[in-house]
Amino acid sequence: GQNIDQPTEMTATEGAIVQINCTYQTSGFNGLFWYQQHAGEAPTFLSYNVLDGLEEKGRFSSFLSRSKGYSYLLLKELQMKDSASYLCAVKDSNYQLIWGAGTKLIIKP
Amino acid sequence: DVKVTQSSRYLVKRTGEKVFLECVQDMDHENMFWYRQDPGLGLRLIYFSYDVKMKEKGDIPEGYSVSREKKERFSLILESASTNQTSMYLCASKTGAHTGELFFGEGSRLTVL
Repeated sequence: GQNIDQPTEMTATEGAIVQINCTYQTSGFNGLFWYQQHAGEAPTFLSYNVLDGLEEKGRFSSFLSRSKGYSYLLLKELQMKDSASYLCAVKDSNYQLIWGAGTKLIIKP
Repeated sequence: DVKVTQSSRYLVKRTGEKVFLECVQDMDHENMFWYRQDPGLGLRLIYFSYDVKMKEKGDIPEGYSVSREKKERFSLILESASTNQTSMYLCASKTGAHTGELFFGEGSRLTVL
């Protein structure tokens, strides 16, 4: 079967750095997405990785290792507004998205 | 600003009632999707549509149907609501079939009593 694993919940301190991991086992791979979802709101697109390596976008970076079936989302200089759920999704060989259950990130002052 | 609008944020229905959830996008996207989101589970695809009047089953189509009569509008229909359909329903759209990110609506939280 196809599987995406993410930690259920993480806690970090304002101003710090946090890394949210995502491991996947899918039938094929055509890219990996990260989305942010604040409570009661729509998920919004953060990043897309299809090649190995690090993609940086402001305070957020996303890393991919296809050989390891692994990605992480790195959030720097954490702000209270970063408190949200972070969803990892992999596009499989049929271009269908397989979603992880999401990681709820709690930021403490 | 691009937008996906879902008609109802919160609905409460009784078992056996027919439920319509509507979704409209203003981005001229070909592809539209209905997902349900439940605690502890990843998003699960119910149905998607890649063109007007076209529809494809997703992973969990049982108990649902859809309608896409116009490009901008994609409706999800629960013919006879059941308590196990209590969930958050998310509509999304995107342009390319195999490319691009999804744009989501804010969700419709349905409670079936």
